[in-house]
Amino acid sequence: GQNIDQPTEMTATEGAIVQINCTYQTSGFNGLFWYQQHAGEAPTFLSYNVLDGLEEKGRFSSFLSRSKGYSYLLLKELQMKDSASYLCAVADSWGKLQFGAGTQVVVTP
Amino acid sequence: EAGVAQSPRYKIIEKRQSVAFWCNPISGHATLYWYQQILGQGPKLLIQFQNNGVVDDSQLPKDRFSAERLKGVDSTLKIQPAKLEDSAVYLCASSLGGDSGFGPGTRLTVT
Repeated sequence: GQNIDQPTEMTATEGAIVQINCTYQTSGFNGLFWYQQHAGEAPTFLSYNVLDGLEEKGRFSSFLSRSKGYSYLLLKELQMKDSASYLCAVADSWGKLQFGAGTQVVVTP
Repeated sequence: EAGVAQSPRYKIIEKRQSVAFWCNPISGHATLYWYQQILGQGPKLLIQFQNNGVVDDSQLPKDRFSAERLKGVDSTLKIQPAKLEDSAVYLCASSLGGDSGFGPGTRLTVT
């Protein structure tokens, strides 16, 4: 089975940096996804990591260590619109995509 | 590229009634997922299709939920009969490799 853990909530100020950690245990591994979800909306794709290392995409970066079962999403230069839930999701060797409970990021002025 | 389409967007029914949701995935995406998301929680996988075959339905309450994906494209999810605890957003997603997308979801309220 799969077990995906991420913090429940994080608070940071506008312009700051926040790092959301995700640890996972899976039967087989076929990639890790990060999604952003605003209240009342569907998740939107942010990043996909299947190899170890850092993937940078503008203000957002995602890191993966397969040997440690660990990933993080780094949000830089935080803006008020970044207040949302951030979901870590892991695909197993069958492509089954399971989600963590999500991390609510609150950005304050 | 058109995204994942879902209908209806909202549905209110009474308990013990039946309801059906429809999903059209991103063109070319072989994998289709149905998720249930209760307020404040992450999406919970109900069923995963690979083309028109079921890959995983271990968390689908099969006594009341059913899903099909005819011809490996569109999919329907049905609940019969509905219970109060089925009130949630039902999300359809599709993927091909690292490319994935979610539909807008159907918000179901069971009264």
